[in-house]
Amino acid sequence: AQSVTQPDIHITVSEGASLELRCNYSYGATPYLFWYVQSPGQGLQLLLKYFSGDTLVQGIKGFEAEFKRSQSSFNLRKPSVHWSDAAEYFCAVGYNNAGNMLTFGGGTRLMVKP
Amino acid sequence: SQTIHQWPATLVQPVGSPLSLECTVEGTSNPNLYWYRQAAGRGLQLLFYSVGIGQISSEVPQNLSASRPQDRQFILSSKKLLLSDSGFYLCAWSVLASDTQYFGPGTRLTVL
Repeated sequence: AQSVTQPDIHITVSEGASLELRCNYSYGATPYLFWYVQSPGQGLQLLLKYFSGDTLVQGIKGFEAEFKRSQSSFNLRKPSVHWSDAAEYFCAVGYNNAGNMLTFGGGTRLMVKP
Repeated sequence: SQTIHQWPATLVQPVGSPLSLECTVEGTSNPNLYWYRQAAGRGLQLLFYSVGIGQISSEVPQNLSASRPQDRQFILSSKKLLLSDSGFYLCAWSVLASDTQYFGPGTRLTVL
């Protein structure tokens, strides 16, 4: 069964610092990979997704993520964090298999220090 | 463009009362539909999903049920709420099961 691990439950960074949120998945096939962001009391918003092709994916709000097959990882990065980036971030994985739904990681809560 | 609506936005209900949360999608046909719950400080828990009218799959046995009376309408219900039903309920849709899911704004349910 597919699974997604986000090892960091909480991360605190200073405003202007760089950010990397980790995501690891387990399964043999090439996955579809997603990052979502959730602000408090809101639904989830898609930041970016990887289906195939270039392993470095650009998303909204200045985020990017890199698919590394050898490490089964899809880490989310941002070079300079803004206070408005404080939120919860979810990684998700899916596969090109009819009926095979997305599996979400447990989430990482990002706090930004002024 | 596609939009997804949920209502109510917030709800406070006594233990033992019934529940009905509604989700509707506009701008697409025959979507896959999902109900998730987030308990305080927890991740996403998939409750139900539907691939078509009247087709409901349950992921977690509990006192909640779901129905899909129309193609773009998904309803989450309970006959008697428990304290443990409190949480943030999210509806989502997708074109394919393995594809991007798009989430509604959520309903905050507090059971007292």
